[in-house]
Amino acid sequence: DTGVSQDPRHKITKRGQNVTFRCDPISEHNRLYWYRQTLGQGPEFLTYFQNEAQLEKSRLLSDRFSAERPKGSFSTLEIQRTEQGDSAMYLCASSLIGGVGEQYFGPGTRLTVT
Amino acid sequence: GIQVEQSPPDLILQEGANSTLRCNFSDSVNNLQWFHQNPWGQLINLFYIPSGTKQNGRLSATTVATERYSLLYISSSQTTDSGVYFCAPSQGGSEKLVFGKGTKLTVNP
Repeated sequence: DTGVSQDPRHKITKRGQNVTFRCDPISEHNRLYWYRQTLGQGPEFLTYFQNEAQLEKSRLLSDRFSAERPKGSFSTLEIQRTEQGDSAMYLCASSLIGGVGEQYFGPGTRLTVT
Repeated sequence: GIQVEQSPPDLILQEGANSTLRCNFSDSVNNLQWFHQNPWGQLINLFYIPSGTKQNGRLSATTVATERYSLLYISSSQTTDSGVYFCAPSQGGSEKLVFGKGTKLTVNP
């Protein structure tokens, strides 16, 4: 079991550019979550998938954000026309429905928008 | 939605001391997890504890769901225990976690 992985670990981009992050969950975990964490705060829920279906999105997820989980395995989170306020740590977690339900987190992608 | 309050916000200890971190939540929950966030940002699972008491080495946790609080005990603290501790209960079918602001623990040698 290799755990949850995320790529890239760090991303620096200029305001207005598009960025895409990838998350690979623990194999056989059918739920995948995205959270965002800003400095000094706890992570905040953005969205989650059960298999390939996106079942819930937070109001934090503006129209510039889109997430996908094709084939129910890895997931991508895209931010279009980045703004300085998007600078944060983006965390991915996975869990197994029907199991204990415990969520396991990846190392995160730290985004800096200049 | 559910509100989560953690106390104290900051805690400074000498190595070897014991401590208790508290988490209050405003509504009934499906489950509750405690995490330790290391300096690199990685969230490390400590406990999955919707109710009852669990122990793992020097750490233990108790959740009293009917009274809407959870406690994390750290005994004989070590410098490697430093970091931010988060409590995160969840509600509803999604079981999305709702995080408090955390307790920042500093253990000095």
